[in-house]
This record gives sequence, structure tokens and C-alpha cells, in this order.
Amino acid sequence: DTGVSQNPRHKITKRGQNVTFRCDPISEHNRLYWYRQTLGQGPEFLTYFQNEAQLEKSRLLSDRFSAERPKGSFSTLEIQRTEQGDSAMYLCASSLIAGELFFGEGSRLTVL
Amino acid sequence: ELKVEQNPLFLSMQEGKNYTIYCNYSTTSDRLYWYRQDPGKSLESLFVLLSNGAVKQEGRLMASLDTKARLSTLHITAAVHDLSATYFCAVGNNAGNMLTFGGGTRLMVKP
Repeated sequence: DTGVSQNPRHKITKRGQNVTFRCDPISEHNRLYWYRQTLGQGPEFLTYFQNEAQLEKSRLLSDRFSAERPKGSFSTLEIQRTEQGDSAMYLCASSLIAGELFFGEGSRLTVL
Repeated sequence: ELKVEQNPLFLSMQEGKNYTIYCNYSTTSDRLYWYRQDPGKSLESLFVLLSNGAVKQEGRLMASLDTKARLSTLHITAAVHDLSATYFCAVGNNAGNMLTFGGGTRLMVKP
């Protein structure tokens, strides 16, 4: 399977814990995006990378959130000191520059 | 700030009927996408519309784009149960680096 891969698919954590999600994009894609989707809503943009450079961050990305793409391939999204409001599906997508976005299956976070 | 509105938010249809979902957006863009999402699943790309007047069809779904009116439509012809899902439109910014999604239209097709 050469699509966008996300891990873990589901994470249950207690409030205050840190969690990390990983995204492996389609191999030739140089752009990688993170979106967040809460129940019944459309996905909301969080941040995107072009190669290893993080070029844009949404104001939704509080200082408890950090994303990296160290070698321009896979990316991680870390949430520190999780809150119940962080419960959502975290979607990763990748694309060529100005190309169509292809989404992964998502990582569902439940904060108890 | 780009805003994208879809209507209706919820649509219950009988099989065999036709209906249209509307997607309005607030600022100029010539990139519009339609996605399908099944419960608990990710987004499946349906259509990419890149110019004014673009029309694309796949099976019972047809999408169109009017960039002057800032409006896209997704028309469903002779609905079948398998089309039950949530449909999102998403508008690209002019820099081509971000999509803004509408709130989604949850479609239920009843036998």
C-alpha cells in the first residue's frame, strides 16, 4: 500500500499526558499537512510542511502542539499536557506542490 | 479569512430521487474539491474542480464550479443506499497550500 499511513489509529490517554502521532506520506510527495476533525465538523487546518520546512501554522496550533518533519519524509505531531478538548481525529495528508491532497486514515485521540 | 458553507447540513432521501448539495465560499478561488467520508473513516477524493465552469461526473454524482458566483454544486441522480455518507467541499487558497473545508452534508439514502 503506497498511500498515506498514520499511526496509531486510535489513542486513549488521560488528561495531562503527552501523545505523539506519526504520519508517513506518499513517498514522492514533498508537502505534508496536518488537519484536525472533531465530531460532526469538517477538518480544520493545523499546519503544513514543504520538505522539512514548516511553512504555515494555524492559530489552532497552541504551544502544546508541535509538529516536525525532520528529514522531509515522515512527520510527527506531539500534543503535550493533553486536555479533553484535544479529543478529535487527527488527519494527515500529503501532496505534490499545488497538487491534490491525499488523506490518511487518521489517528483518533480520546482524552479521558 | 476564507469561509466555506455547505447546505443542507443533513439530507434524508429516498432511493431513486435527485438532489443537490450546495457549497458557497467567501473569497476568490479556482480550486475546489469534493470529498466523501464514511463513519470513522478518512476522506475519499471525489472531484477536483480547477476552473470556472468545470463540470465532472462519476456515476450518479456530478460536480460543477462557478467561480464568479463562488458556488459549487454536487448533484445526486437517482440516489442509492451506497451513497449514504458525509460529503465535504473544500476550497483551496490562492497560494495552493491550504484547504478550507465546509461543515459537511450528511446524506442518508433510504430504501
